[in-house]
Order: sequence, then C-alpha cells, then structure tokens
Amino acid sequence: DAKTTQPPSMDCAEGRAANLPCNHSTISGNEYVYWYRQIHSQGPQYIIHGLKNNETNEMASLIITEDRKSSTLILPHATLRDTAVYYCIARSWESNFGNEKLTFGTGTRLTIIP
Amino acid sequence: KAGVTQTPRYLIKTRGQQVTLSCSPISGHRSVSWYQQTPGQGLQFLFEYFSETQRNKGNFPGRFSGRQFSNSRSEMNVSTLELGDSALYLCASSLGGTGGMNTEAFFGQGTRLTVV
Repeated sequence: DAKTTQPPSMDCAEGRAANLPCNHSTISGNEYVYWYRQIHSQGPQYIIHGLKNNETNEMASLIITEDRKSSTLILPHATLRDTAVYYCIARSWESNFGNEKLTFGTGTRLTIIP
Repeated sequence: KAGVTQTPRYLIKTRGQQVTLSCSPISGHRSVSWYQQTPGQGLQFLFEYFSETQRNKGNFPGRFSGRQFSNSRSEMNVSTLELGDSALYLCASSLGGTGGMNTEAFFGQGTRLTVV
C-alpha cells in the first residue's frame, strides 16, 4: 500500500469547514483512499473512501486530485465532537483475493475550537 | 444492527501468562481483522481471517495467534505475555468481498490489555 503523509495536527473553529489534506504521491491505480477517525480511546470509525471521483456522504466529502497524488477530507460544519485523530489510508485491492488490511499512519490530530 | 463486540473491555495479566480476546463481528460479515495500538507504534495490523482461514498476517511474533469460527466470531491469543504487549487490541469486521468488491471495516471498542 502506498505511503500517505498528513500534517500532525490542525485546529478548526466550531461551525467552520475542516479541510484535512493527505498526500499519497506514490498511489497506484488499484489503490483506494480511505479515511477513518479515532476519538480518544475508541475504535476507529469509517468516514469515507474513493478511487478517483469525488465522494460525499452524510459525514464528509472527499476530494481527490485528478492525478490522484493527494486528497482532502472536508467536514462541512465542524462540531466539538469532530475532535479526533484522522487517518488517511491508501488501500490496494487484489481482485482475486481481497485485502482487508488497513495500514495506519500517524494521522492528523484535529482539534475543534469553540 | 448490532456493531462489533469485543470482550472483555479491560484485562490485567501477569508477565508469562497467556490471554484470549474475543470478537463478534457484525451479522453477515465474514472477515475479521485484529490490530494492536500502542502509544509508541500506533495502530498495527496483526492478522485477518475470512471464512475460518487466515488470509493475511502482519509482522508479529508467533506468540500472537488467532482463529475464526464458523459463525465468523474470532478469538485472538497471546502466549507468554511480555510487558510490551500492553496495548489496546482492536477488532474490525467487514463483508470481506472477493472478486472486485471493496468494503469498509467497522471497528469494535477494543480490549485494553495491561501486562504487569
């Protein structure tokens, strides 16, 4: 799986959009970009994933650049409960075998400021 | 529907003992993965089971083992515990598709193991 690089920490004001960047310059064609977050002492929570098109769900939006070398997770209206460590993961897909392994980096610690 | 259930939530063991942790996946999910989380090493993949077979394995010593039952429930065993095995052990379940499916994993709350 391709290595991902994220800033170690970010702050965002409550009610504003939080934009979390991720660099994955060596990503290959069969690798998806996944985002998880982990609130203190809880299990990671799935947020969203995509391959090359932008994706949106009830939690967030994922913007992937055209060359797929970077992406941005957007939390449109951040609340205090969004304070967590956010992990960007590149996960390959082996079509005949499957691959459930997630390789976590150090993530971005996002703090929402009241 | 019910989420991923891990038992016990907390455990204290003595060096040299062994421990068994349990994970019940979401109903219908056939893949169960295990992760270890420590302050120093972060979240690390241990192994994954799918339909009772170990399908993928991380870089951990043989003291760490697991198994999966026909109902997809999984257990993880650590023998000859060391102080460094103190960690949060997380289990994740997913559909575990093959042949082109790509599925997300859902994590349990973890078992916090302390070795003294």
